[in-house]
Amino acid sequence: LAKTTQPISMDSYEGQEVNITCSHNNIATNDYITWYQQFPSQGPRFIIQGYKTKVTNEVASLFIPADRKSSTLSLPRVSLSDTAVYYCLVGDRSNYQLIWGAGTKLIIKP
Amino acid sequence: AAGVIQSPRHLIKEKRETATLKCYPIPRHDTVYWYQQGPGQDPQFLISFYEKMQSDKGSIPDRFSAQQFSDYHSELNMSSLELGDSALYFCASSFHNEQFFGPGTRLTVL
Repeated sequence: LAKTTQPISMDSYEGQEVNITCSHNNIATNDYITWYQQFPSQGPRFIIQGYKTKVTNEVASLFIPADRKSSTLSLPRVSLSDTAVYYCLVGDRSNYQLIWGAGTKLIIKP
Repeated sequence: AAGVIQSPRHLIKEKRETATLKCYPIPRHDTVYWYQQGPGQDPQFLISFYEKMQSDKGSIPDRFSAQQFSDYHSELNMSSLELGDSALYFCASSFHNEQFFGPGTRLTVL
């Protein structure tokens, strides 16, 4: 299972776009990239998943370069409620377990 | 929409006691996962079940066991509790890929 590396923490301000980059140099051919959001004392919540290029949904975009060795989660126009820990995970869809690395603690300021 | 249900939400036990945590997956989800998250830690995968059979095993101590029943609910049994078992225990369920997490059970061992 590929290991991921993310910044430990990031700060931003309301209304800004936030980009969190994750490195996964050993990503395998069958691996997908998935991002989860977690608020204190709550279960993680799925944000977005992708394999290559760009994926967009109603809350975020995920950019994956051609070599797939990194990915960037983009949160448009963040608000105070986006303050949370964001986890990047890499794994084969057929794998049952998710290996959680150290996520990124995002703090949004007024 | 129905979500993953976990019970109890809070549990206080003493050392060497036993505890049973329950998880009720989202209807029609066939896979259940258990995670442990210590204070300030990342979620650690414990064990998963697919169609009532154990599908993968992570860092689950030998003192813990789990099973998935015919109605797809799952139970995590924890014996000889230790202080270090104090944590949030999350259950997640999925159908194919994306994991949906429950609110967690906070276990405190005194």
